[in-house]
Amino acid sequence: DAKTTQPTSMDCAEGRAANLPCNHSTISGNEYVYWYRQIHSQGPQYIIHGLKNNETNEMASLIITEDRKSSTLILPHATLRDTAVYYCIVRPSGSGGYQKVTFGTGTKLQVIP
Amino acid sequence: DTGVSQNPRHKITKRGQNVTFRCDPISEHNRLYWYRQTLGQGPEFLTYFQNEAQLEKSRLLSDRFSAERPKGSFSTLEIQRTEQGDSAMYLCASSLGTGGTSPLHFGNGTRLTVT
Repeated sequence: DAKTTQPTSMDCAEGRAANLPCNHSTISGNEYVYWYRQIHSQGPQYIIHGLKNNETNEMASLIITEDRKSSTLILPHATLRDTAVYYCIVRPSGSGGYQKVTFGTGTKLQVIP
Repeated sequence: DTGVSQNPRHKITKRGQNVTFRCDPISEHNRLYWYRQTLGQGPEFLTYFQNEAQLEKSRLLSDRFSAERPKGSFSTLEIQRTEQGDSAMYLCASSLGTGGTSPLHFGNGTRLTVT
């Protein structure tokens, strides 16, 4: 399965958009991009996923490049509660599960007041 | 949706003791996963179940580890003869295994400290 690379850490001013990049240059045609975040002392929380079209939900937007080799998670108005580690993973659709997914170390986003 | 529940939240044990953790997944989810997470690292896959069948185990899951999911509902993870290297957060997650794109839903984990 494809692996992802993310910056180790990022800062964002409160109220501004947080743009978190993810590189997945070896992604296969049937692999989706998923984003999770993990707030300290909690389990990871699902945010959003997509295949090739841009996606938006109440938490965030996901922009996937046309060649699908990278993506960006956008938190439109970051708050202090968005301070967390953000994980980008890829996972094939179909009957396969998450057993071969690698979470990596993610991006530690610090929202600054 | 009451979410994935894990108990206990914290466990401190002495080296050599056995420990057991419990996970209650979201009720309609037929897939259940166990992960281990150490400080500064992302979750690492240990094993997963589809209904009551344990379908895959990671090489991280040594002979001292055993997991069960009787009746395809809750699951337990037991570690026998604990070692200090077993100290970690143990996370459980569940998903719908319908062949689609169902996301993982994680519990808040059990933090194990082996002294």
